[in-house]
Amino acid sequence: GENVEQHPSTLSVQEGDSAVIKCTYSDSASNYFPWYKQELGKGPQLIIDIRSNVGEKKDQRIAVTLNKTAKHFSLHITETQPEDSAVYFCAASLNNDMRFGAGTRLTVKP
Amino acid sequence: DTAVSQTPKYLVTQMGNDKSIKCEQNLGHDTMYWYKQDSKKFLKIMFSYNNKELIINETVPNRFSPKSPDKAHLNLHINSLELGDSAVYFCASSPGTANQPQHFGDGTRLSIL
Repeated sequence: GENVEQHPSTLSVQEGDSAVIKCTYSDSASNYFPWYKQELGKGPQLIIDIRSNVGEKKDQRIAVTLNKTAKHFSLHITETQPEDSAVYFCAASLNNDMRFGAGTRLTVKP
Repeated sequence: DTAVSQTPKYLVTQMGNDKSIKCEQNLGHDTMYWYKQDSKKFLKIMFSYNNKELIINETVPNRFSPKSPDKAHLNLHINSLELGDSAVYFCASSPGTANQPQHFGDGTRLSIL
């Protein structure tokens, strides 16, 4: 079955800096890669996603890149703000069978 | 308007009891899910239903029984609760079975005494 690894487990940055979170997956058949943000006491919320036929996608300060050959994908957050502090999860999915990474706790210091 | 709502938000009970968690979505989605998040924040899929039919059933003890009376509801019943069942349980929904964004509820924190 699919196995998703996520690094780092914790990340602390200064406000205004960039943050990068990396994930690898094992099943080359996976074709959908969403990223979720989870705030304290809330459920995960989708922030961006990418499909296997696309190499990069950007939405304002957030971007995701996908390297299918290497089976890894990354989340990039630029100009970080304190409200970006949360736990971020990557996931790899095939036909809605979604497997999550272990999460990255991002702290943005003002 | 709440899109995916779960009740109760907190559930504290004793070992051996039977309990249910309810989930409803008002997004018109066809597919619903249950996930378990453990104390280390690891999210693992348990079940998935599409139009009331079970499509994903992970290796979950048969003490856990999902029930979908209609496509807007997916309830989770747990028999003979054990200490290891303590976790946050999330319900989610998506438009269909093709890879599409899943919308999560805010979770039910289950604590077994």
